Amino acid sequence: KAGVTQTPRYLIKTRGQQVTLSCSPISGHRSVSWYQQTPGQGLQFLFEYFSETQRNKGNFPGRFSGRQFSNSRSEMNVSTLELGDSALYLCASSYGQGFGYTFGSGTRLTVV
Amino acid sequence: KQEVTQIPAALSVPEGENLVLNCSFTDSAIYNLQWFRQDPGKGLTSLLLIQSSQREQTSGRLNASLDKSSGRSTLYIAASQPGDSATYLCALNYGGSQGNLIFGKGTKLSVKP
Repeated sequence: KAGVTQTPRYLIKTRGQQVTLSCSPISGHRSVSWYQQTPGQGLQFLFEYFSETQRNKGNFPGRFSGRQFSNSRSEMNVSTLELGDSALYLCASSYGQGFGYTFGSGTRLTVV
Repeated sequence: KQEVTQIPAALSVPEGENLVLNCSFTDSAIYNLQWFRQDPGKGLTSLLLIQSSQREQTSGRLNASLDKSSGRSTLYIAASQPGDSATYLCALNYGGSQGNLIFGKGTKLSVKP
C-alpha cells in the first residue's frame, strides 16, 4: 500500500518567487492536512482539506493557500516567498477524524 | 489556548534501558492522541494512536498511556536500541471543527551502544 507522496523533495527558490508543493494521499483517504516545521516554531498547522473543501485553517498569512482535487490530491502554494518561509513542509492524510494521520516525507523548501 | 508540553526535551540513555517520555496538555477534551517519531530531515512515522475512550495502546516494545484527568500521556519504550534514536512527538486532536493536530516540541532521544 503506497504511503503519502510529496513532491518535490527539495526546492530552492528566490525571495519574491512563488512555489507549489504537491501531496498525493493514501488511496481512500479524503482528508489532507499541511504543516510547516521549523527549528524555532516546531510543527504548525497550515490547513486541512476534506472532499475538496477547506475545513480548517491555521494562523498563516494569505500568501499560503491550498486546494484539493477530486482525486484527493492536494497542492499548497506560497506566493511572494520570504526568507522565513524556509522550512520542511509536511502533508498528512487520513480517512477522517478518529483514524489518525499518516505523514509524507516532506518537501524541504529553502528561500534564498 | 491548547498547549502541549513534552519533557524532557532531550534524553540520552545506554542501550537496553527502559525509558519513559512524557506529554502533558492543558485541555483534556481531546478526541485522540497520536505519538510519532521523526528521524533527522525526514517525515513523521506514526507509532501509536490512542482514542479518547482508551487508557493505553501497545505495539511491540512501545506502550502509550493516556490519563485525561491529569492531562498526561506517556510513551514507554522497553529495552531501548540505537535504532530508537529519533525525535518523538506527541500530537493531540481535538476533533470537530478543530480537527488538526497540535504538536509538542518533541523529545530528542539518543540511545548509545
